[in-house]
Amino acid sequence: GNSVTQMEGPVTLSEEAFLTINCTYTATGYPSLFWYVQYPGEGLQLLLKATKADDKGSNKGFEATYRKETTSFHLEKGSVQVSDSAVYFCALSRGSARQLTFGSGTQLTVLP
Amino acid sequence: GAVVSQHPSRVICKSGTSVKIECRSLDFQATTMFWYRQFPKQSLMLMATSNEGSKATYEQGVEKDKFLINHASLTLSTLTVTSAHPEDSSFYICSVLPPSGGAADTQYFGPGTRLTVL
Repeated sequence: GNSVTQMEGPVTLSEEAFLTINCTYTATGYPSLFWYVQYPGEGLQLLLKATKADDKGSNKGFEATYRKETTSFHLEKGSVQVSDSAVYFCALSRGSARQLTFGSGTQLTVLP
Repeated sequence: GAVVSQHPSRVICKSGTSVKIECRSLDFQATTMFWYRQFPKQSLMLMATSNEGSKATYEQGVEKDKFLINHASLTLSTLTVTSAHPEDSSFYICSVLPPSGGAADTQYFGPGTRLTVL
């Protein structure tokens, strides 16, 4: 079946540090891939997405590239800010019902 | 502004009682909504897919008689936890799918409902 494996946290970085959160997936066919972010006390928000191999999703300085050969969708940001502190979820969309399968989530804390 | 609302945001109830959680799509009509459950420091687990005007589709291992889903209109889906027990304590989250096609459609998530069963 479909699954998403995500880098375990928590991750603690200093402001302006480089961020990588690893995400790999197992799926039949060609899923769409997503990164969602959950800020403290809020619901999940879409951060970025990619729908086919070699697509790069980007938003708010975050980037992730759909790598079919390595079945990965790693999240990166060149310089994190304190306001980026949140839980990040990697997910894939499957089937005609467009249901999401989530990774376990990675807690990011950025210190000033 | 918010695209999806949930009510209540937090509920505490006694064991054996039933609790209803509402999920409303504020910006568009949605034929499909999803219900998730999130345990502390864990990921979201899909419970069921709610389709307007038809029966919900439950994921394997989710008791449909315990978690009743009603999607009576294009803007409202409800989840009723019947005869709740402490093990049902969790964070329940709904999401809404816009009425367009494609696997890449963005789901919009509600803020969640924290259920505590004493």
